[in-house]
Amino acid sequence: DAGVIQSPRHEVTEMGQEVTLRCKPISGHDYLFWYRQTMMRGLELLIYFNNNVPIDDSGMPEDRFSAKMPNASFSTLKIQPSEPRDSAVYFCASTNRPTGAFFGQGTRLTVV
Amino acid sequence: AQTVTQSQPEMSVQEAETVTLSCTYDTSENNYYLFWYKQPPSRQMILVIRQEAYKQQNATENRFSVNFQKAAKSFSLKISDSQLGDTAMYFCAFMLGGGADGLTFGKGTHLIIQP
Repeated sequence: DAGVIQSPRHEVTEMGQEVTLRCKPISGHDYLFWYRQTMMRGLELLIYFNNNVPIDDSGMPEDRFSAKMPNASFSTLKIQPSEPRDSAVYFCASTNRPTGAFFGQGTRLTVV
Repeated sequence: AQTVTQSQPEMSVQEAETVTLSCTYDTSENNYYLFWYKQPPSRQMILVIRQEAYKQQNATENRFSVNFQKAAKSFSLKISDSQLGDTAMYFCAFMLGGGADGLTFGKGTHLIIQP
């Protein structure tokens, strides 16, 4: 398996624009997580899915953030409209629990 | 909610030395997993080692081993014969057995291996 695949690796956008981050989890994993990493707050869980169903989105900071998982092999995290304070590294991870969560390489988002 | 605490923001040791990173956690659950992740400057999150709470035997992966003290809710990582490539952020993480609440991370320890 190629591991968790995220795209893009880097994204620079202007304030107010829509941003969509993409993730392909490892095949067979039933949980998918979206995390945000900043220097100030560390690693924060934004939302997670179990068998494609959103279970807990209490970590999503604002209504500007939304996430979908239309099938077992694809998930998106969308920010609309984006703001400079959304600048961070966004990670997607998947797991079947006993083995631990495996992370993608992350998307570094810069909103100017 | 579960919490994970790493009390050492930064550590520095000489190459080939042994170093131990500390982690404590708090939970009222009995079925859970614990992990150590390494994040080098490339920012990739790499799973180093995992421990199932129901197993008394401490996990070992080559130069990496853990000291799991369930009653004390302690989960330290020992790196033997440290190498320059071990320089990275190390995160302790907790996950409930059912997967609920995702992975809860500590704030991390920045480990520097000096030549």
